[in-house]
Amino acid sequence: GIQVEQSPPDLILQEGANSTLRCNFSDSVNNLQWFHQNPWGQLINLFYIPSGTKQNGRLSATTVATERYSLLYISSSQTTDSGVYFCAVGYSGGGADGLTFGKGTHLIIQP
Amino acid sequence: GAVVSQHPSRVICKSGTSVKIECRSLDFQATTMFWYRQFPKQSLMLMATSNEGSKATYEQGVEKDKFLINHASLTLSTLTVTSAHPEDSSFYICSARVPGHGTEAFFGQGTRLTVV
Repeated sequence: GIQVEQSPPDLILQEGANSTLRCNFSDSVNNLQWFHQNPWGQLINLFYIPSGTKQNGRLSATTVATERYSLLYISSSQTTDSGVYFCAVGYSGGGADGLTFGKGTHLIIQP
Repeated sequence: GAVVSQHPSRVICKSGTSVKIECRSLDFQATTMFWYRQFPKQSLMLMATSNEGSKATYEQGVEKDKFLINHASLTLSTLTVTSAHPEDSSFYICSARVPGHGTEAFFGQGTRLTVV
């Protein structure tokens, strides 16, 4: 099946810093989503971005499908940005339509 | 739009009993829903694909007799954990896509199951 690798696995930053999270995937995708999992486990949908660039406030994301990677940018980090960020992809080559998740990046923003 | 609701949000049950988790699409009809499982401090793994009016498709290694899936209507899929044991304790979460609106997945709030 398709492989999804996220980096870094852990990231500790001071409030106000910028960060870049990376997601590499091993095959063609028809879906790529970035999520923030809150302390209660709920997945907050940040971006649906199988290709191109999107921005939403302090967050932006870019997916270069031909090179099989996506980046999530967080600017001017706040303590509330802390948590686990997951990248998930859907394989476009058929078979199961569910998403394959990376292992996540655990982000800690210190005041 | 595209709201998926899951119930209950958390449940504690005794070993040997069965637990049913509901996943509803509130503002759209979903012919297909997906069930995932997440162990503590780990990623989410697809368990099965729930198909309205037909049998679910299970991922390799998932026991279909342990995790019964029923998708009886276009807005409801249920996951029943049968004869639960402590090792079944986990976070279960469902998702669905809006037909005809691309591949974006919308997730429920998740259910934290603890088997004692």
